[in-house]
Amino acid sequence: EAGVVQSPRYKIIEKKQPVAFWCNPISGHNTLYWYRQNLGQGPELLIRYENEEAVDDSQLPKDRFSAERLKGVDSTLKIQPAELGDSAVYLCASSSGGLQETQYFGPGTRLLVL
Amino acid sequence: SQQGEEDPQALSIQEGENATMNCSYKTSINNLQWYRQNSGRGLVHLILIRSNEREKHSGRLRVTLDTSKKSSSLLITASRAADTASYFCATDARGNTGKLIFGQGTTLQVKP
Repeated sequence: EAGVVQSPRYKIIEKKQPVAFWCNPISGHNTLYWYRQNLGQGPELLIRYENEEAVDDSQLPKDRFSAERLKGVDSTLKIQPAELGDSAVYLCASSSGGLQETQYFGPGTRLLVL
Repeated sequence: SQQGEEDPQALSIQEGENATMNCSYKTSINNLQWYRQNSGRGLVHLILIRSNEREKHSGRLRVTLDTSKKSSSLLITASRAADTASYFCATDARGNTGKLIFGQGTTLQVKP
């Protein structure tokens, strides 16, 4: 069974440029998460989807971040415009839903904003 | 904001020794999970312990949970060089079902 797929793995951009990350969850997983992980820290949730509905986006900086999961499968996270402080690893995870479920993580996209 | 605090932040041991990592959290939880992250990789789920459980084993891993102290520990017995990684605890807080809140992690180095 394929795991969570993310692309690109690495991205270097200049500040004020837009950037997008893509995630394809494990087949059949209804719940999809986007996390941001700063260097030396644990991941912090940005947004959680149940199918195509964003059920928790309280931590998403909505002035510059947006996300979508149009068909309830793969998802895109966008930053526009990027700032220096956005440099981090962006992790996507999925789970089959329900309470107390294990989350399966992708390898992440490492973003460097110059 | 992160709920958990992990101790120690870094741990270096010799192969064959046991490694113990601790996690403290602030609010009541449904469950607590431990994840491992190898350098440059995503997180891998290790073990989940529910709030009504006190101890759980999985292979060389032993997790304890003390809800009265709001703390958990992860013990890795007979460590191997391949156990070198960062270890994170994550809580699924009551009232925030499905949302995991991660600690800052413990970086473990196992020397061959």
